Amino acid sequence: EAEVAQSPRYKITEKSQAVAFWCDPISGHATLYWYRQILGQGPELLVQFQDESVVDDSQLPKDRFSAERLKGVDSTLKIQPAELGDSAMYLCASSFLTSGGLDTQYFGPGTRLTVL
Amino acid sequence: AQSVTQLGSHVSVSEGALVLLRCNYSSSVPPYLFWYVQYPNQGLQLLLKYTSAATLVKGINGFEAEFKKSETSFHLTKPSAHMSDAAEYFCAVSSVTGNQFYFGTGTSLTVIP
Repeated sequence: EAEVAQSPRYKITEKSQAVAFWCDPISGHATLYWYRQILGQGPELLVQFQDESVVDDSQLPKDRFSAERLKGVDSTLKIQPAELGDSAMYLCASSFLTSGGLDTQYFGPGTRLTVL
Repeated sequence: AQSVTQLGSHVSVSEGALVLLRCNYSSSVPPYLFWYVQYPNQGLQLLLKYTSAATLVKGINGFEAEFKKSETSFHLTKPSAHMSDAAEYFCAVSSVTGNQFYFGTGTSLTVIP
């Protein structure tokens, strides 16, 4: 069964350092999402891509976070510089959704970030 | 705007007992509703979804949920809890266009042997 791949699974970094997370969605899925999940809370959308274009990044802290999906397939989420409050699980999800309509989001295993 | 509220951040049941996890939604239009399960240090796995077809939705692992418009609810149930059901459960609502998912704060289910 096809899965969303994410790496690394765990990342420990010091504040002010740069970190990057990678996501490879299920093949053929046009839409890709990055979520942040703080311990004890539900996932919160950071950015949504439709192919290589950003559809929604209203909740992305753009002063330190950036995301790209250059070829419309895999994606990278970067934080620079990392802050203590960035410690969380970063989840990637993908769906077949093209334009409008609804499709199920399939989640990867996540990257657990700890900022010291 | 859509949102979901999950009542009870922690629920404990005995093995073999009924599981009931509550979710109420707020939506200005008929919503699409989902239940996801998350095991420790893992991503979310879809349990079931409601997309305006049958109001009683059956999912994986013996779970089901009923959409009740009059109560704006989408509670998750399972007749008999198993130890392997211990996990975090999230209710989510999506707009009709599917552009936005809004997750609840989650309910942690503990199963007591």
